[in-house]
Amino acid sequence: QVQLVQSGAEAKKPGASVRLSCKASGDIFTRYWMHWVRQAPREGLEWMGLINLSDGTISYAPKFQGRVTMTRDTSTSTVYMDLSSLGSEDTAVYYCAREGASATTKEFDHWGQGTLVTVSS
Amino acid sequence: QTVVTQEPSLTVSPGGTVTLTCASSSGAVTSGYFANWFQQKPGQAPRSLIYSTSNKHSWTPARFSGSLLGGKAALTLSGVQPEDEADYYCLLYYGNALPWVFGGGTKLTVL
Repeated sequence: QVQLVQSGAEAKKPGASVRLSCKASGDIFTRYWMHWVRQAPREGLEWMGLINLSDGTISYAPKFQGRVTMTRDTSTSTVYMDLSSLGSEDTAVYYCAREGASATTKEFDHWGQGTLVTVSS
Repeated sequence: QTVVTQEPSLTVSPGGTVTLTCASSSGAVTSGYFANWFQQKPGQAPRSLIYSTSNKHSWTPARFSGSLLGGKAALTLSGVQPEDEADYYCLLYYGNALPWVFGGGTKLTVL
C-alpha cells in the first residue's frame, strides 16, 4: 500500500534552516507530484509548494519564494524540503501530500503523517 | 491576494444533511479550479475525500459528495454520522502563477 513517511520532529533556533524528508513507497515514484503543506498551531492548512517527481520542476507559493527549496531523490523515492531563515512563525506541522500527475484531473490522495518543527530561542 | 473562503463553523444533527461551500475572491469557482476536499480530525493528518470537484476516492464514504453550487465548490454530507465531526478544508487550483490555495476550513459539529 502507498505510504508517505516523514522525518522526525525538529527543534530549531531563529535564523536557522531545517530539512524535512518524505519517503514514498508502494507505487511508482515518478508518476506523481508532491506538495508540502503546513499547519501552524490551531490554524488552518497552508500550501507551500510542489515538485514534479518525474522531472524536478518546482512551484512555490509566493510567500515562501527565496526561502524554500524542494528537491527529490528518485533513487530513494524521497522528497526533501529545505526552509531557511526560520522564525517563530514557522513553528508548525509540515505535511507532504501526493498528487497524481494528470493534466485532466488533479487528484490529491495520500498524505504523510506530518513533522513538527518548533522554532524557539 | 487570492482568498478562498469557507464557513468557519457549521452544526448538523446526526442523520441530517449539510453543505459546506468554498468560494474564491477571484470569482465563480468552476471545474477548472479542480476543487479538492479534505477532512482533518484532531491530532491527525488530513485525509483526502474529493478531487477535481466531484470525484471520490475508493475510501470516501458514499455519504460525501462534491459539486459546484452557486459559483462555489461544495461538499455535501448526507446522513451525517457522529464520526464526521471534523475540520474540512477545500483546496483550489489557480494555474501556474499561484497553483494552489487552501480555504480557511470549516469546523463541523455533529450535535
